[in-house]
Amino acid sequence: QVQLVQSGSEFQKPGASVKISCKTSGYTFTNNAINWMRQAPGQGPEWMGWINTNTGDPTYAQDFTGHFVFSVDTSVSTAYLQINSLRTDDTAVYYCARDHGDYVFQFFFDYWGQGTQVTVS
Amino acid sequence: EIVMTQSPATLSVSPGERATLSCRASQSVSGNLAWYQHRPGQAPSLLIYDTSTRATGVPARFSGSGSGTVFTLTISSLQSEDFAVYYCQQYNNWPPWTFGQGTKVEVK
Repeated sequence: QVQLVQSGSEFQKPGASVKISCKTSGYTFTNNAINWMRQAPGQGPEWMGWINTNTGDPTYAQDFTGHFVFSVDTSVSTAYLQINSLRTDDTAVYYCARDHGDYVFQFFFDYWGQGTQVTVS
Repeated sequence: EIVMTQSPATLSVSPGERATLSCRASQSVSGNLAWYQHRPGQAPSLLIYDTSTRATGVPARFSGSGSGTVFTLTISSLQSEDFAVYYCQQYNNWPPWTFGQGTKVEVK
């Protein structure tokens, strides 16, 4: 079955960097884009952007340009979110999610990771 | 940016009763609307897409309706596993794709 398993919680100081992994299984990794969402306490998810797992090309939402970096390693079917120069307002749960479309981009998400808590303090 | 507004924020329902959740978009999203369920401690899961199409494996008690700016998720007879937070998401106008703030369905 399709699974997205994210790396564990991170506790970092301001200015540090963190790299979250999203290991996928149960399907062909390059068939579907991976999207990233951020969720602050008590709020709905915010879409951060997506990465084409075939080409490695990332697209960032306007509010997430600058110190967020998406990448993939197709050899291990894993997507990554790196956050550089961490700020206290980066504290949130971060989710990866698979685009529903096979070979096409549909921009709704059928499988999600369990979330990674990032705390910056 | 399209703002998605969900109501109510919390819905108290008894098991076996019907639950009706609303989602309103600040401008038309046509039929490009999805619903997700998020149980505590679990990954969110896709329930409905294209306003009314159930995702694979989703029970028939979940149904979606609406168009344009007003959408509804109905759970016909609440089961214990349905108590969760529900989010709507539009994927018609980007950037960015946007989510509502959620409706928590709790036991009455």
